[in-house]
Amino acid sequence: AQSVTQLDSHVSVSEGTPVLLRCNYSSSYSPSLFWYVQHPNKGLQLLLKYTSAATLVKGINGFEAEFKKSETSFHLTKPSAHMSDAAEYFCVVSDRNNDMRFGAGTRLTVKP
Amino acid sequence: DAGVTQSPTHLIKTRGQHVTLRCSPISGHKSVSWYQQVLGQGPQFIFQYYEKEERGRGNFPDRFSARQFPNYSSELNVNALLLGDSALYLCASSPLGTGELFFGEGSRLTVL
Repeated sequence: AQSVTQLDSHVSVSEGTPVLLRCNYSSSYSPSLFWYVQHPNKGLQLLLKYTSAATLVKGINGFEAEFKKSETSFHLTKPSAHMSDAAEYFCVVSDRNNDMRFGAGTRLTVKP
Repeated sequence: DAGVTQSPTHLIKTRGQHVTLRCSPISGHKSVSWYQQVLGQGPQFIFQYYEKEERGRGNFPDRFSARQFPNYSSELNVNALLLGDSALYLCASSPLGTGELFFGEGSRLTVL
């Protein structure tokens, strides 16, 4: 069985400082990994995905994530936070059957 | 291009009633998935349909059912509603083989 653990339920940063949202996964197979963002009262939007190509994945809005198999991690980063980045972020793991499991989410707050 | 559309956006039901939620996928997407998102949690997988056949089912009781129509739209039905069914129900469509989900904005169900 596969699963995802998001290590922080809430992260608070100041505008212009780096963002780090942590995700560890468990999977019996070579997984596909995703990060989705959910703004208040909105659906989820794909930020980026890893599907066994380059381990450093670049996404939209300046976000990127690095797949580390030895650490079973897929942390999301951004060099400089913007106020518009404030949202809920979900790490997702998918196995070869396309069964997608979501983490519990990390709420990102950006202070001016 | 139109994204994934869901209806209704909000609805209120009482315990024991039945509800039908509807989803239209992005044109060309043949796979539709349903997720339940309880407040403060990540989405939980309910069903996946592809070419009108159920391809996956999450850990939900038989009160939950779904179907997909020839035009690839889908319905989620929930019978004998319980207070705990109050949630945001998300529909996502997916291009074949990508594992990438495109979400609608959801139907928010409140059960009183």
